[in-house]
Amino acid sequence: DGGITQSPKYLFRKEGQNVTLSCEQNLNHDAMYWYRQDPGQGLRLIYYSQIVNDFQKGDIAEGYSVSREKKESFPLTVTSAQKNPTAFYLCASGQGRDNSPLHFGNGTRLTVT
Amino acid sequence: SQQGEEDPQALSIQEGENATMNCSYKTSINNLQWYRQNSGRGLVHLILIRSNEREKHSGRLRVTLDTSKKSSSLLITASRAADTASYFCATPKAAGNKLTFGGGTRVLVKP
Repeated sequence: DGGITQSPKYLFRKEGQNVTLSCEQNLNHDAMYWYRQDPGQGLRLIYYSQIVNDFQKGDIAEGYSVSREKKESFPLTVTSAQKNPTAFYLCASGQGRDNSPLHFGNGTRLTVT
Repeated sequence: SQQGEEDPQALSIQEGENATMNCSYKTSINNLQWYRQNSGRGLVHLILIRSNEREKHSGRLRVTLDTSKKSSSLLITASRAADTASYFCATPKAAGNKLTFGGGTRVLVKP
């Protein structure tokens, strides 16, 4: 059963702590993406990776870091430098070509207090 | 500002009625995509329309694209309660298929 798995579904952290969100896909997609969604808002691109061992900043990369050591995995670390980390985080994958759709995981809701 | 902007922001209809939402964008595109998001879930791809297409159908969905007006519309016919969701348009920003999403239209279908 192919798809994207994000874990955990809910995550709670204290302010000042780094936290890593997991994203795994078995769709054999080259490209992976991290988006942030705030309540009632659209999605904003944090980071993306078109190939293993390579990634680029999106529109709101400050306070976040990623790695792409394996094709299947694209973890996102929310660092203490991120000023407003509480949000819904969505991971997606795709073929990386124009005219190809994205496949999304079911998200991780991060709450930082 | 976002590349795609949906209108209206929210829509409430009765089951069986049609729902229409619009998307406007700013720069030239080679395709436009529509996605659905159920509450607390990820987005699901609905339909992709290429810049050389004017209309596309998929089941009860009909999408139009007017590149001269930089706008698209999504029509859901004979709506069902299960169509209650947020709908987003998305356009590729640059090479690598980085999609830029609008703020979405929240659709409530009342039984």
